[in-house]
Amino acid sequence: DTGVSQDPRHKITKRGQNVTFRCDPISEHNRLYWYRQTLGQGPEFLTYFQNEAQLEKSRLLSDRFSAERPKGSFSTLEIQRTEQGDSAMYLCASTLGQGSYEQYFGPGTRLTVT
Amino acid sequence: DAKTTQPPSMDCAEGRAANLPCNHSTISGNEYVYWYRQIHSQGPQYIIHGLKNNETNEMASLIITEDRKSSTLILPHATLRDTAVYYCIVRVVFGNEKLTFGTGTRLTIIP
Repeated sequence: DTGVSQDPRHKITKRGQNVTFRCDPISEHNRLYWYRQTLGQGPEFLTYFQNEAQLEKSRLLSDRFSAERPKGSFSTLEIQRTEQGDSAMYLCASTLGQGSYEQYFGPGTRLTVT
Repeated sequence: DAKTTQPPSMDCAEGRAANLPCNHSTISGNEYVYWYRQIHSQGPQYIIHGLKNNETNEMASLIITEDRKSSTLILPHATLRDTAVYYCIVRVVFGNEKLTFGTGTRLTIIP
């Protein structure tokens, strides 16, 4: 257990539905990252926050995706109008701040879109 | 961030040293070499990192060549729990600091 938690661990949804995932980072960590991992591939960067500010979004993050970190603590990732291609593991990681070397990953949320 | 090249899979006998190579021939002077691993169905776990000197911690040793174009992660006494996918990543420190994962090396420890 790294101290980063994600909820839910598994989510099955029908195409077209909206889903929201939550990540609770280690409490003193002010940077939070979201990654997506499909089968057989390494994780791919989606977006990151420095406190409550979203500083970068990957081109992978289409308009259907939105992430927030309202008080600089937990973060949510919402996918609207889910598609089968959204099926993946969504990973959250946190780190103490700029220059820190280690990202601590949560266990991930596995999304299956049917 | 520079790209890395790793063998797709390796086997190692339990109790022996596992040596995992990584090529990063386009690494820049301000980029560090990081190793993470991912055990099945878990999030990635940090192992070790280095700039140009060899590094050792309780989990592993990292050997970086003098020209910094390649490195080797060494697990000195592999156990069955070391079976995982190992990712070699080069990354700048300061800035975005996102991790760019490749497909890694699937290491299987054989009993």
